[in-house]
Amino acid sequence: GAVVSQHPSWVICKSGTSVKIECRSLDFQATTMFWYRQFPKQSLMLMATSNEGSKATYEQGVEKDKFLINHASLTLSTLTVTSAHPEDSSFYICSAQPDRSSYEQYFGPGTRLTVT
Amino acid sequence: DAKTTQPPSMDCAEGRAANLPCNHSTISGNEYVYWYRQIHSQGPQYIIHGLKNNETNEMASLIITEDRKSSTLILPHATLRDTAVYYCIGASGNTGKLIFGQGTTLQVKP
Repeated sequence: GAVVSQHPSWVICKSGTSVKIECRSLDFQATTMFWYRQFPKQSLMLMATSNEGSKATYEQGVEKDKFLINHASLTLSTLTVTSAHPEDSSFYICSAQPDRSSYEQYFGPGTRLTVT
Repeated sequence: DAKTTQPPSMDCAEGRAANLPCNHSTISGNEYVYWYRQIHSQGPQYIIHGLKNNETNEMASLIITEDRKSSTLILPHATLRDTAVYYCIGASGNTGKLIFGQGTTLQVKP
């Protein structure tokens, strides 16, 4: 089956620093990738839709200047949490859609971010 | 995207069928019913999807009522590894956006 990887799997950073999370589709090309955030004991919350070669589309309430998304190739999207604060500590998950006609999304294993 | 309602939790005996219900009374004609599951601290896993007809794959069966206002995911022979949070999502296949609700926590017991 299709595999999506994320790197790093976990990261601890100091408040005020920036953290980059990578999402890669390993055996397929993904025109569209999605970024989610999940707090403990809560459901996934869609943050943004990442389209290759164009600007990401952010969901209401998500700060685009704080969560920078780049989708430079058909197999890689990155999420950068800028000037991280403890309240940004969360589980960040990406997913990739093989193409517009695919009804399946493949999710990465997630990245646990802890901001101290 | 359609709003879905699921029971917060269910138990199932190992080896028995697990039937997970979902209400989606506001689903529109072009929205599919998707089921994903999330095992603790992992990314969600696709299970099955359908529009009108019942569907079956190697993981599960999906039964959609004729009026499309509700559906049931059936795991025919639940195992301990099926313990997870199961999400029912109504979404258009065009946008790809999946809006997750609270899901049902299925506990499979020996």
